[in-house]
Amino acid sequence: GENVEQHPSTLSVQEGDSAVIKCTYSDSASNYFPWYKQELGKRPQLIIDIRSNVGEKKDQRIAVTLNKTAKHFSLHITETQPEDSAVYFCAASIVGAAGNKLTFGGGTRVLVKP
Amino acid sequence: NAGVTQTPKFQVLKTGQSMTLQCAQDMNHEYMSWYRQDPGMGLRLIHYSVGAGITDQGEVPNGYNVSRSTTEDFPLRLLSAAPSQTSVYFCASSYGDDYQETQYFGPGTRLLVL
Repeated sequence: GENVEQHPSTLSVQEGDSAVIKCTYSDSASNYFPWYKQELGKRPQLIIDIRSNVGEKKDQRIAVTLNKTAKHFSLHITETQPEDSAVYFCAASIVGAAGNKLTFGGGTRVLVKP
Repeated sequence: NAGVTQTPKFQVLKTGQSMTLQCAQDMNHEYMSWYRQDPGMGLRLIHYSVGAGITDQGEVPNGYNVSRSTTEDFPLRLLSAAPSQTSVYFCASSYGDDYQETQYFGPGTRLLVL
């Protein structure tokens, strides 16, 4: 089955700096890569996603890049703010197969220092 | 829309007891799934359903049963609780088709097995 590795496990950045989180996946058939943000005690919330036919996607301060050949994708957060502090999870799945089964990475705890 | 709802929010069980975690969604989503999240880890898929009457196993199905008699509801049953099942359980749903792949998570059920 699919295996998703995520690095780093923790990331501390100064407010205003950029944060980058990297994930690799093992199943070349995976075609959907969402990123979720989870605040303490809350549910995971989708912040951005990308399909395998797209190399990059941006939404304000957040961007995701995908390298299908190398089977890795990354989350970029620019101009970080204290409210960006949370745990971020990457995931991979095969949309259109029997169910959109997400395989998650282990998570990255991001701390933005004021 | 209430979205995805889960009950109870918190439950304490003794080893060997059984219980059912409830999940409901009002978005007419075909696809529903159950994940567990252990401390400091990503989410792992327990069971999923692609429609009423259809269920299948995920990555960690042992000790859990599911059924899907309606589109709206997808309960998760713990047959004989064990301390290893102490976790936070999240239910998720999506349209499950090729173009509406976003999964929406419920608020979670925190389970402690003594």
